[in-house]
Amino acid sequence: ETGVTQSPTHLIKTRGQQVTLRCSSQSGHNTVSWYQQALGQGPQFIFQYYREEENGRGNFPPRFSGLQFPNYSSELNVNALELDDSALYLCASTLGGVPTDTQYFGPGTRLTVL
Amino acid sequence: LAKTTQPISMDSYEGQEVNITCSHNNIATNDYITWYQQFPSQGPRFIIQGYKTKVTNEVASLFIPADRKSSTLSLPRVSLSDTAVYYCLVVRMDSSYKLIFGSGTRLLVRP
Repeated sequence: ETGVTQSPTHLIKTRGQQVTLRCSSQSGHNTVSWYQQALGQGPQFIFQYYREEENGRGNFPPRFSGLQFPNYSSELNVNALELDDSALYLCASTLGGVPTDTQYFGPGTRLTVL
Repeated sequence: LAKTTQPISMDSYEGQEVNITCSHNNIATNDYITWYQQFPSQGPRFIIQGYKTKVTNEVASLFIPADRKSSTLSLPRVSLSDTAVYYCLVVRMDSSYKLIFGSGTRLLVRP
């Protein structure tokens, strides 16, 4: 148990729909990162939020957006879903002091796009 | 960031020591080497991190030679529950907290 929770656990959507995934970070952690993991591959960095501001973004289109709230919980929004968006979406929280601080991952949300 | 190369898969038996080697030829002075473990349908879990020589914790050891172009994760006396994917990452000491994952090494521990 890392103290990072994600909801929902599983989600099924159809192409073109929009989805919101949620993450509650570990207590005291002010940095949240989101990753997409396709089947059989390593996680790919989507973006990161530090104290409610985006602090780095990977190679993902603008239809992937996020928010971080004052309590440091976070949301990942994906618009205009495509079949290739089917994946495990992971969030990870970090204390935020040093880049080499451990990232604590949640269990993920499995998104299926039909 | 330095690209990492590690074996796609490894097999072992319970009770054996497993060594997984990772190559990171272009590692920079301010880069650290970090290993994560991932079980199916779970998020990755931090195992160990080091900069040079040897680091040991309660679950693994990390060996890094002087040139730091490779590293070896050593798992002593593996059990069936160590069956997982192991990722070697190079983490840079800069303002970014992003982790760059490769494809990892799938370790299968047999009875």
